Amino acid sequence: SAVISQKPSRDICQRGTSLTIQCQVDSQVTMMFWYRQQPGQSLTLIATANQGSEATYESGFVIDKFPISRPNLTFSTLTVSNMSPEDSSIYLCSVEHRATISYQETQYFGPGTRLLVL
Amino acid sequence: AQSVAQPEDQVNVAEGNPLTVKCTYSVSGNPYLFWYVQYPNRGLQFLLKYITGDNLVKGSYGFEAEFNKSQTSFHLKKPSALVSDSALYFCAVRNGNNRLAFGKGNQVVVIP
Repeated sequence: SAVISQKPSRDICQRGTSLTIQCQVDSQVTMMFWYRQQPGQSLTLIATANQGSEATYESGFVIDKFPISRPNLTFSTLTVSNMSPEDSSIYLCSVEHRATISYQETQYFGPGTRLLVL
Repeated sequence: AQSVAQPEDQVNVAEGNPLTVKCTYSVSGNPYLFWYVQYPNRGLQFLLKYITGDNLVKGSYGFEAEFNKSQTSFHLKKPSALVSDSALYFCAVRNGNNRLAFGKGNQVVVIP
């Protein structure tokens, strides 16, 4: 499996500001994902971040609002820009990890960043 | 499009009783199915997956799931529920873009 950490674990931010969330994984992975989980909701994929290429955004999410960096195979950042109260959510980093023996791929998740925008 | 459905919002079960969390899927081709659990104020933890092989899949914390092709189901089960199993459970399927599509989640409440 993969061990994933996120910083910060939670934050309270003012409307109009930006917050950058960091995701660190303990092994090299090709594919990293960023999800949003709004209160009482399921997970929605924001974008896929592959090292060495631009992030691929899902419908309804744009780079200007959620810029992503992927400087190497163990790290990524997601920025939530020009925040509004509607951005209050849990933001989760996820990686796809391939087992060394079976080569089966499984997605593992970080602990999440709980964001409240006032 | 690949999708999963979790028909119940909340599952209440007495401690020590069997626990079942339901999931049905809709896919074209072979389904890759997953169960995750989210404890309060935590991220998602991987429980188990079905890729191929035995229909009964065993996972973490004593959970298992049975893949049923004829009923297009992948229900999560535990023979004897613990209070500590109270959490949010998500079923997911890998879609054609190799992305996970999640169900809405089921809140499990184990009553002491």
